[in-house]
Amino acid sequence: DAGVTQSPTHLIKTRGQHVTLRCSPISGHKSVSWYQQVLGQGPQFIFQYYEKEERGRGNFPDRFSARQFPNYSSELNVNALLLGDSALYLCASSLALGTDGYTFGSGTRLTVV
Amino acid sequence: GNSVTQMEGPVTLSEEAFLTINCTYTATGYPSLFWYVQYPGEGLQLLLKATKADDKGSNKGFEATYRKETTSFHLEKGSVQVSDSAVYFCAPWGGGSNYKLTFGKGTLLTVNP
Repeated sequence: DAGVTQSPTHLIKTRGQHVTLRCSPISGHKSVSWYQQVLGQGPQFIFQYYEKEERGRGNFPDRFSARQFPNYSSELNVNALLLGDSALYLCASSLALGTDGYTFGSGTRLTVV
Repeated sequence: GNSVTQMEGPVTLSEEAFLTINCTYTATGYPSLFWYVQYPGEGLQLLLKATKADDKGSNKGFEATYRKETTSFHLEKGSVQVSDSAVYFCAPWGGGSNYKLTFGKGTLLTVNP
């Protein structure tokens, strides 16, 4: 079975641009969460979606948005990119809200120049 | 919200040495507790978990016991291998209406042959 898949794996954007990151959860998993990991730090929670509804939002500006589709895949959108948005963006899926833990994808490495 | 404190790294050990990585947490309610491991250039992998007080999580020779009285979840392994070299993250989840993982900075473990 495929694990959590994220695309693209790497990308480079210019300050002020917009970016869309994509995530496909494990088959049967209904929850997707997004985390940002800056180099040398632990991941920080951005969003959680469960059954296509937002169930949690971390301390990130409104430039960050996300959604979950009927097939449970998800997109993370970031507008007006800043240099500080450069990070590894991790998607995690779980059966329900996460009691049994999450399965993480390999991440998308975003570099803003 | 939840918070976690892990021992500062890096931790450098010789092969077959005993490993302890300390983790303490603060949380509202009774969270589940997780250890995740991140190998270089990869996403996070669930290593072990415990969902209630006095539970012991174990996997691949690693163990951790949920200690409610000391709010701790220390990771141990009796004999480390070179392949255990990675960054280890302790993360509480849940408690109250909190459905996210809260990560600390992680502990880098390097095992030398």
